[in-house]
Amino acid sequence: QVQLVQSGAEVKRPGSSVKVSCKASGGTFSSYGLNWVRQAPGQGLEWMGGIIPMYGTTTYAQKFQARVTIVADKSTSTAYLELTSLRSEDTAVYYCSRDQGSGYDYGMAVWGQGTTVTVSS
Amino acid sequence: QSVLTQPPSASGTPGQRVTISCSGSSSNIGFNYVYWYQQLPGMAPKLLIYRNHQRPSGVPDRFSGSKSGTSGSLVISGLRSEDEADYHCAAWDDGLRGLVFGGGTKLTVL
Repeated sequence: QVQLVQSGAEVKRPGSSVKVSCKASGGTFSSYGLNWVRQAPGQGLEWMGGIIPMYGTTTYAQKFQARVTIVADKSTSTAYLELTSLRSEDTAVYYCSRDQGSGYDYGMAVWGQGTTVTVSS
Repeated sequence: QSVLTQPPSASGTPGQRVTISCSGSSSNIGFNYVYWYQQLPGMAPKLLIYRNHQRPSGVPDRFSGSKSGTSGSLVISGLRSEDEADYHCAAWDDGLRGLVFGGGTKLTVL
């Protein structure tokens, strides 16, 4: 049974960057779409983008296009989300999640435990 | 402001049938699949329904999904106290070229 384990909580200053990791264990990493979804306090879910590790192809939500980078290291079965130019509105729990299929259209069936990122001066 | 529109809250008593709606447009639900996620307090979301009406293994058949035009619906039959959670709908949006979510519906079991 595949599991996704994320890196620990981060506290960042406005204007800085954060990099969150997501390590897969117990299953195939490269063949499935890997997404990043965030949730601000008391708010709904927001999709940021995703990657197909087998091909390294990425797709980003328009809102984050200029500030986000998603990469995957197949050798360690680890995906990374980097978000730059942080502002207070980026304070949220960041989740990685794996699609049931090779793209983004079979639903996100496996989720990491979430990483809390706090942006504060 | 979410791209997909859900009622902020819903409620029911044990054993009842509850329906949660998700309204979109032709650029998302109209031509793409609807997904539903359940999120218990303090937990990561869980996939309940994919591709409009399909249930992952392990999801009880009390949960069912459907789509009509530019709207999707999640029906929970035989409501239980453990169903008290937030429910989120999602769909791919061709105009935005990304996955979009509803604002979430908080279900209370009275």
